[in-house]
Amino acid sequence: GDSVTQMEGPVTLSEEAFLTINCTYTATGYPSLFWYVQYPGEGLQLLLKATKADDKGSNKGFEATYRKETTSFHLEKGSVQVSDSAVYFCALDRGSTLGRLYFGRGTQLTVWP
Amino acid sequence: SQTIHQWPATLVQPVGSPLSLECTVEGTSNPNLYWYRQAAGRGLQLLFYSVGIGQISSEVPQNLSASRPQDRQFILSSKKLLLSDSGFYLCAWSGAAGYNSPLHFGNGTRLTVT
Repeated sequence: GDSVTQMEGPVTLSEEAFLTINCTYTATGYPSLFWYVQYPGEGLQLLLKATKADDKGSNKGFEATYRKETTSFHLEKGSVQVSDSAVYFCALDRGSTLGRLYFGRGTQLTVWP
Repeated sequence: SQTIHQWPATLVQPVGSPLSLECTVEGTSNPNLYWYRQAAGRGLQLLFYSVGIGQISSEVPQNLSASRPQDRQFILSSKKLLLSDSGFYLCAWSGAAGYNSPLHFGNGTRLTVT
């Protein structure tokens, strides 16, 4: 069945370091891919998305490219800030009319000043 | 603009007690509605979804139930809570078109069953 696998955390970085959080997926058809972010004590917010192969989603300095050949959607940021500390979730939408998302387990990111 | 309200923010309940969590959406019509649970150290698990009033689909067998009495109201319930029901419960909505429509989440309810 459809699934998402994220690198396990926690990830701890110093401010201005480069960030990569790996995400790979298994799905039939042509899913859309998403990254959500969850700040402490809050619900999830959409960070970025890509709807077809080779699309690049970007927002707030974060980027992820939909790679169909490697079934991956890795999240990257060139210079992280303390305010980026949160849990990041990769997710896929299999393309049904429902819009049901399959989430990865989440990766905790902590950025130190 | 659309907003989603979920309450209460935190809840501590004894084993065997009933549960009712409420979620309402404003600023949109006929949304798809979802209840997710996030257990400690685990990812998000879809519990229920609804595409319309009175239409509920369950993803996993469990001790919980859901109802949608109005278009923009979604309720999660239990008659008797179990310790394993503890977790972070998130309500979400998406556009009726579904595909490519992102999920919008509430701020969640932290439930601790003691």
